[in-house]
Amino acid sequence: QSVLTQPPSASGTPGQRVTISCSGSNSNLGSNTVNWYQQLPGTAPKLLIYSSNQRPSGVPDRFSGSKSGTSASLAISGLQSEDEADYYCAAWDDSLSGFVFGTGTEVTVL
Amino acid sequence: EVQLVESGGGLVQPGGSLRLSCAASGFTFSTYWMIWVRQAPGKGLEWVANVKQEGSEEYYVDSVKGRFTISRDNAKNALYLQMNSLRAEDTAVYYCARDGGSGGFDIWGQGTMVTVSA
Repeated sequence: QSVLTQPPSASGTPGQRVTISCSGSNSNLGSNTVNWYQQLPGTAPKLLIYSSNQRPSGVPDRFSGSKSGTSASLAISGLQSEDEADYYCAAWDDSLSGFVFGTGTEVTVL
Repeated sequence: EVQLVESGGGLVQPGGSLRLSCAASGFTFSTYWMIWVRQAPGKGLEWVANVKQEGSEEYYVDSVKGRFTISRDNAKNALYLQMNSLRAEDTAVYYCARDGGSGGFDIWGQGTMVTVSA
């Protein structure tokens, strides 16, 4: 039940800034914080951003998150080749009483 | 080292059952909510279920309600997912994860593959 909408793809050249959007509703992003996950090919997801804009230790400060109303975004500045991955937003949904993930965005470094 | 290791995946016929296990180590298991997330081949992530620290609360995605049961044994540092009445659409890699406390799943296992096919 993907109720969080993300663009299917995003791309940029090394060093550029890439932004990924995540659109939800009042019951999820409008009421709760958002988390972002990075999934490198063939590996388990990794927590990238929690509580909308906090980075776990070890995550480069090139990654930043923000949330406003029922939308959120993840920004990658100074894009690097190792950033090629799938990115997912996620949040608790009060109406569903469950977590929902975004549809996922594949980032390509040109 | 903080670690989660899943096991129990495999090939099962439609209508069959399977029990997944997740062994936790390196942290105080009993103080965290725990989660199962799945990913069908070539598809995105889907939250399946989560369970409170002492096992008193459980939540499920609608598609598995009445068929799957999440449970935990804090004495054994283990998380389980009992899957009954399996369907082809349950075919996926199943990950267990730890809820770090701010809603973020901060530790993930490597995943175990479940294939439902005749």
